[in-house]
Amino acid sequence: DIQLTQSPSSLSASVGDRITITCRASQSISTYLNWYQQKPGTAPNLLIYAASSLQSGVPSRFSGSGSGTDFTLTISSLQPEDFATYYCQQSYSAPFTFGPGTKVYIK
Amino acid sequence: QIQLVQSGGEVKKPGASVKVSCKTSGFTLATSGITWVRQAPGQGLEWMGWISAYNGGTYYAQELQGRVTMTTDTSTNTAYMELRSLRSDDTAVYYCARYFIDYGGSSRFDPWGQGTLVTVSS
Repeated sequence: DIQLTQSPSSLSASVGDRITITCRASQSISTYLNWYQQKPGTAPNLLIYAASSLQSGVPSRFSGSGSGTDFTLTISSLQPEDFATYYCQQSYSAPFTFGPGTKVYIK
Repeated sequence: QIQLVQSGGEVKKPGASVKVSCKTSGFTLATSGITWVRQAPGQGLEWMGWISAYNGGTYYAQELQGRVTMTTDTSTNTAYMELRSLRSDDTAVYYCARYFIDYGGSSRFDPWGQGTLVTVSS
């Protein structure tokens, strides 16, 4: 099975900050990597698919990059509604594993 | 507008079974797939498996093999997930999501149902 790790596990930031979250796969997964945002008490929401494609309706301050084993999710200017937990997920091969998540707190 | 609406919360005793439904609309379930993901309290997301409504093919996470069954009813556009021999560590919110594959072969889970809390307690 493909394992995903995320760093950091949590981070505190201020509104307007630029933040980057990293996801690393245990083997090459090309660009078969998705990112989801989850707010407390709600279902996850797809942000980025295929490593760098922005899902329809998602603000352009979100971006993704990477290929192979190393990927990043960047929020260019953090907004109050962006404080949430972010998960990466590989779609290269089943089982389609998730990373452990990165919780973004308000500083 | 694509929507997935799940059944309500359940409380079950250890050893019992639970069946969660996921009513879909806004897309053709018969040519799609549905995936199931669960989240224990305060924990991350755990992928459980998926089903192709087109041919009924399934893939289950190894740790759930033998206890989980995923099905679809294309006449009612509803997907189901049944989990048997429930244990306390099966207590979680269970989510369904559309499993979408694009022409480039990239897949993702979108959108998601609202979640169903299953509590296993004696």
